[in-house]
Amino acid sequence: AQKITQTQPGMFVQEKEAVTLDCTYDTSDPSYGLFWYKQPSSGEMIFLIYQGSYDQQNATEGRYSLNFQKARKSANLVISASQLGDSAMYFCAMREGELGNQFYFGTGTSLTVIP
Amino acid sequence: GAGVSQSPSNKVTEKGKDVELRCDPISGHTALYWYRQRLGQGLEFLIYFQGNSAPDKSGLPSDRFSAERTGESVSTLTIQRTQQEDSAVYLCASSPGRGLAGPLAKNIQYFGAGTRLSVL
Repeated sequence: AQKITQTQPGMFVQEKEAVTLDCTYDTSDPSYGLFWYKQPSSGEMIFLIYQGSYDQQNATEGRYSLNFQKARKSANLVISASQLGDSAMYFCAMREGELGNQFYFGTGTSLTVIP
Repeated sequence: GAGVSQSPSNKVTEKGKDVELRCDPISGHTALYWYRQRLGQGLEFLIYFQGNSAPDKSGLPSDRFSAERTGESVSTLTIQRTQQEDSAVYLCASSPGRGLAGPLAKNIQYFGAGTRLSVL
């Protein structure tokens, strides 16, 4: 089974609107970390936000928030007030286990912000 | 340096030649990862180093691929007898590693800008 599943290959959003990018994960380990990265056309992977499995509250970083639903094993990224510069590929990733160092990445979602 | 540094940024080579890609991790990061990303695809794990432990080579696609890391510093990914299917962006990332284990350890991976390899 896939460790990380991103079911939206491409998404469009109007500038200034909010958008949700879906991510589900699969693990039986009670300790794990979830990450979102942005990859603009320049190619560099930019860390956006982190959610730990023990965190009680949803993570937020500026316009980014993570809708963490542990029972459903989902970790959706919400981008509020979309900007043209948000157009990029977005990858969800998981680090499995308390001492885990291997990361699993999803296949990515391409987001296009429409002016 | 402040971030993960990779060199060269672009490499064009002829089929059959060997190439070396370099990664300079963030100072103090004990874990280092190599990934391959083909055009329009996700990240494919290649290899990871944790301190002085034996590396996890489970992602290397063939014996033409190898990587070395001296201690907790620079790593080199070598591809021998390159093939056209090796054309991709090779990304390196580093993270604080096991030294920060525990439920509060984020262990975030920080990526370099990548090396774009083109095999003609």
